[in-house]
Amino acid sequence: QSALTQPPSASGSPGQSVTISCTGTSSDVGGYNYVSWYQQHPGKAPKLMIYEVSKRPSGVPDRFSGSKSGNTASLTVSGLQAEDEADYYCTSYAGSNNLGVFGGGTKLTVL
Amino acid sequence: EVQLVESGGGLVQPGRSLRLSCTASGFTFGDYAMNWIRQAPGKGLRWVGFIRSKAYGGTIEYAASVKGRFTISRDDSKSIAYLQMNSLKTEDTAVYYCTRWDSPYRFDYWGQGTLVTVSS
Repeated sequence: QSALTQPPSASGSPGQSVTISCTGTSSDVGGYNYVSWYQQHPGKAPKLMIYEVSKRPSGVPDRFSGSKSGNTASLTVSGLQAEDEADYYCTSYAGSNNLGVFGGGTKLTVL
Repeated sequence: EVQLVESGGGLVQPGRSLRLSCTASGFTFGDYAMNWIRQAPGKGLRWVGFIRSKAYGGTIEYAASVKGRFTISRDDSKSIAYLQMNSLKTEDTAVYYCTRWDSPYRFDYWGQGTLVTVSS
């Protein structure tokens, strides 16, 4: 499978909202409601932020939300805080006998 | 508390082999599929492969880039997943993460990663 397409960078000021897109195909993002998002700070392991398009694991602030329309999923971070500055990766299920696909990652900068 | 701890990384010459281990604790290891995901320096996340739980046949899927060279296995009695890497190439240089796959599709716990450097 080809990688999912994410913008390489995004930015916003503290308190603002930022949306990161993740575009795939009907074989992955568009075909299943199994998109998840991961946050990675430098030198650290990724952390699950959103799963099944819009669900938040316990402990993840409700400032983080997810959605999907067609072949594009989105992660929105509202009320930006300095600690939200990190890389964000999306991934999607792509069928029972396939590995999923990852996006290339988006570096979120809090100005 | 769920914990995943990778070990076995290091510097290895091209063409040689290395085995990584992922030791799990805090959950019933045999009930979960386990993944290996890698990240080359300064790059994004890439699947290596995963192994299903015995309840789903324990079958394994690999990325095309490692198929035939890497082997994933698991020992449920010891709560360890393995990644045997043979015929290593310089492009295999990466941090290798072990993750737990919770149904239907989320990687809810990650290890800290172990660095594999393939260089002469």
